[in-house]
Amino acid sequence: DAGVTQSPTHLIKTRGQQVTLRCSPKSGHDTVSWYQQALGQGPQFIFQYYEEEERQRGNFPDRFSGHQFPNYSSELNVNALLLGDSALYLCASSSFGDRGEKLFFGSGTQLSVL
Amino acid sequence: LAKTTQPISMDSYEGQEVNITCSHNNIATNDYITWYQQFPSQGPRFIIQGYKTKVTNEVASLFIPADRKSSTLSLPRVSLSDTAVYYCLAMDPTGGFKTIFGAGTRLFVKA
Repeated sequence: DAGVTQSPTHLIKTRGQQVTLRCSPKSGHDTVSWYQQALGQGPQFIFQYYEEEERQRGNFPDRFSGHQFPNYSSELNVNALLLGDSALYLCASSSFGDRGEKLFFGSGTQLSVL
Repeated sequence: LAKTTQPISMDSYEGQEVNITCSHNNIATNDYITWYQQFPSQGPRFIIQGYKTKVTNEVASLFIPADRKSSTLSLPRVSLSDTAVYYCLAMDPTGGFKTIFGAGTRLFVKA
């Protein structure tokens, strides 16, 4: 049973560019959440997708957008990249409605903006 | 979402029991206490979750007093591989899945 998979593992971009990160949830999960983790800090919640809709959003600008597909996989898009967007981007999946949330995380995509 | 407070870092030696305490004074009635472990360049991994009293699994125990304003993660006989960051979260799983992580506790296990 595959866990949460993310691609690519590493990415280098320059300021102003756009980037798309991808996530496949754990089998049986229907909800995907995205997090940004800067070096030395805890993960910061970006947004969550369920039933192909953004259900909740953290304190991130509109440059951060996402999508969820019918097979529950998800994409995170970041436009007009800034140096400060350099971070580890984590995808987590869960099953909506499960009592007692247990998020399953992927290994992340390390994004470097030069 | 209840704010949690943990020590920034802790040191221990192999074979010792480690207890990490988390404070969550404004925890809500529906909030569960959940702990995650994270190694460098990896995503956090679920360790244990509880609502009250004591919960034990194959890797840890979680102690939650009656007032639920704090909780303690207990790691028995730690090894070098337990060196990681540990996050405590208090959240309502039925109120959406917006999980907020704090800075966590960096545990360093020495030989």
